[in-house]
Amino acid sequence: QQPVQSPQAVILREGEDAVINCSSSKALYSVHWYRQKHGEAPVFLMILLKGGEQKGHEKISASFNEKKQQSSLYLTASQLSYSGTYFCGTEKSSGTYKYIFGTGTRLKVLA
Amino acid sequence: NAGVTQTPKFQVLKTGQSMTLQCAQDMNHNSMYWYRQDPGMGLRLIYYSASEGTTDKGEVPNGYNVSRLNKREFSLRLESAAPSQTSVYFCASSSEIRTGNEKLFFGSGTQLSVL
Repeated sequence: QQPVQSPQAVILREGEDAVINCSSSKALYSVHWYRQKHGEAPVFLMILLKGGEQKGHEKISASFNEKKQQSSLYLTASQLSYSGTYFCGTEKSSGTYKYIFGTGTRLKVLA
Repeated sequence: NAGVTQTPKFQVLKTGQSMTLQCAQDMNHNSMYWYRQDPGMGLRLIYYSASEGTTDKGEVPNGYNVSRLNKREFSLRLESAAPSQTSVYFCASSSEIRTGNEKLFFGSGTQLSVL
């Protein structure tokens, strides 16, 4: 079962913040986040392991709540280059290494 | 360093025709994947290979076959193409499973249309 992402789409102005959520019905070992620009392949942003770890990548950070089986991606002071579709990825079931993805969140940053 | 290379980039087929999508990686990764991407559906896993000689079904394997020819190459075959298989196909490979450093590297995709 695919992870569920919310919101499905968001429009921001430069400098505004956004949060993208990812939840799963299964226990998670890790959560991946990827960004895909239109017409391109997805690109890895970060991985979070179970344990409530939070990671940062420039102005993009994420958290992982193992108990709630949720992860959130935080984009602060958004830039035009942040536009794209964001996907979270998880293992289909623990130990299988089959990575499945949510349906994506389309983010558009306007000048 | 090419990473993950997919061929062809575009393909148009007629219903019932067969074809093979090729994928090769030069990063010495053990794990390789095939995904399809349809509007509003995200990326859906078709097949997965943990190592040379092993393959396993993903979420949407029907109508597809795969071959892990060697460590570098993982091909996807459509035996009898159907319009429902019109999609963008991505191959990916993964580093260092279960170390906390794993990440998927994607090829540039194949846009397939079945008429």
